[in-house]
Amino acid sequence: NAGVTQTPKFQVLKTGQSMTLQCAQDMNHEYMSWYRQDPGMGLRLIHYSVGAGITDQGEVPNGYNVSRSTTEDFPLRLLSAAPSQTSVYFCATRIGISSYNSPLHFGNGTRLTVT
Amino acid sequence: AQSVTQLDSQVPVFEEAPVELRCNYSSSVSVYLFWYVQYPNQGLQLLLKYLSGSTLVKGINGFEAEFNKSQTSFHLRKPSVHISDTAEYFCAVIRDDKIIFGKGTRLHILP
Repeated sequence: NAGVTQTPKFQVLKTGQSMTLQCAQDMNHEYMSWYRQDPGMGLRLIHYSVGAGITDQGEVPNGYNVSRSTTEDFPLRLLSAAPSQTSVYFCATRIGISSYNSPLHFGNGTRLTVT
Repeated sequence: AQSVTQLDSQVPVFEEAPVELRCNYSSSVSVYLFWYVQYPNQGLQLLLKYLSGSTLVKGINGFEAEFNKSQTSFHLRKPSVHISDTAEYFCAVIRDDKIIFGKGTRLHILP
């Protein structure tokens, strides 16, 4: 039982390059989300999904795309990376969007640097 | 207005001393409140939560928090800290079904 798995752990991109951050979960959670963590800013919600085929924007969605074709996977795409996207990215899942009694389960993060 | 405010970005405290990490929330959000902890180079994990009922909530590792509706606060406390409590602590609220985090408080344990 791996929980939430994020790949890669580290990535360096040049400005303008594209890449996909992967997030996979084996807990059959309906709710999946992406956060970015920056010093002094806490965690900010980028995009989230309440189930396969359904996605929505969070607080800071610009420059990022997501899709949810399966329950297990929720990839985050950067189409044209910018230095402002240098950050640590966390995928987090929960049983359901209204399951407040259940905690968010976090992956170990992807540290992205854009030069 | 910020949904959740953590006033202290860093809190130094001596080992075995008590600590309080402050969190205030906006009255416009739902009163589902959480504290998460992040140890170095890891993701976050739930420390404790308040959904309803008793205003004093006990969590893991000896931490507790008190929900105060009149002061819109949910401060985290521990009576005696240990070096292993060195981490960043995040207060979080529910807004529009989404979990919104504060900016975090880094707890430094001094020997």
